[in-house]
Order: sequence, then C-alpha cells, then structure tokens
Amino acid sequence: SQQGEEDPQALSIQEGENATMNCSYKTSINNLQWYRQNSGRGLVHLILIRSNEREKHSGRLRVTLDTSKKSSSLLITASRAADTASYFCATDARALTGFQKLVFGTGTRLLVSP
Amino acid sequence: DGGITQSPKYLFRKEGQNVTLSCEQNLNHDAMYWYRQDPGQGLRLIYYSQIVNDFQKGDIAEGYSVSREKKESFPLTVTSAQKNPTAFYLCASSRADEVNEKLFFGSGTQLSVL
Repeated sequence: SQQGEEDPQALSIQEGENATMNCSYKTSINNLQWYRQNSGRGLVHLILIRSNEREKHSGRLRVTLDTSKKSSSLLITASRAADTASYFCATDARALTGFQKLVFGTGTRLLVSP
Repeated sequence: DGGITQSPKYLFRKEGQNVTLSCEQNLNHDAMYWYRQDPGQGLRLIYYSQIVNDFQKGDIAEGYSVSREKKESFPLTVTSAQKNPTAFYLCASSRADEVNEKLFFGSGTQLSVL
C-alpha cells in the first residue's frame, strides 16, 4: 500500500496566493521529501526534511513535519503560474538492515492561474 | 551539462515484442532506479541498482529485466511477459551517500501498446 498520501488531490489558486498541500504516511521514517513534476516530465527534488526536524525553508517553500501525526505539509508562498505542476511526497521506512526504498504518494496537482 | 538522459521519449510496443528503454547518466552516481508511473498515480519501483553489476527487484519487477554493466548505464527491458506495459517510465540516480535522499530523474519514456 502507499506509504504517503497527498491531500488535496487537486488545488486551483490565483497567482500571488499561497498553496498548501499535505502528506500523510503510515510507518516511522528517516526522512520525508517533496518532489515536483511538470506535465510529461521527470521529477525534480525540492526539499528533504529529516525525522528530527520540524520545519525547513527553501526560498518560497516551507515544509513542516509532525512525526506524532505522521504528516507533513508543503507551503508555497506567493505562487506563480510557473509553479503549476504536480507535487509528490516521498518517504522511506526505517529498517534495521537492507535497502530502504522510497515510497511516493499519489500527488497533488496544483494549478496557478495568472 | 551533468544529467540523466532517457531515450526514446515515446515508444510503441507490438504484441509479444520486447522493448528496451535507455537510461544514461553522467553524474557519476552509483545508485540507479527505474520507476513506473500510471496516470494519476504515484511512482512504483521496478528495479534498482546500488553498484555496477548488481541490481535488485523492486515492488513490480515481474515482466521487466535490467542490466548494470557500466556505472553510467541502466537499461530497462519490458518483456512480452508484462501484460500491461502502457505507462510512463522514469529512470533516476543518486549518490551512494544519498541513496533515497535526493534522486535525480530523467525526463521519462512514454510506452504505449499498438
């Protein structure tokens, strides 16, 4: 089953507004990442937050992590039309040994209108 | 320009045919991955390789095969055993010390069945 689930599935806003998308996951994690995908393209890594961090910033991006609720949020401030894309969270599950694969959520489709 | 290149961009497969998707990276990354993306879905791991001449099955390896004879190359073959191959295929790579922490993705190959 999916480790991460994004909410909402789709979000439509005007330029200049803030966009918030959420990710919930099921098991303990080492870190949580957010990726962006433009239509028909590959994913681009945006930001990584570790399990012992609560908040992280990168430019107009702000990520929070609440391990007690097993959830994260991605805030894009002062959005632009160029921010239109799908956004995915990805988590890895803690394991004693072996490869810890990334598990991607189903994504939030963001549309920013001029 | 460092990056990860997938080819072709579009590929069509006939019934019973094997097809090979190319993935080349010049980032000097040790780890490489293949993901499958279906419309409106997250990414699912097909195969991964952490080092040359070694690779492991992911969650949905049936009907696929890979090789890792060179560090920079990780081709994926979709065999006739894969009964539902239509999907967007993404190749990714990462540094050995950033496995599952910061993946670099190619621009993808859209595979369709004729």
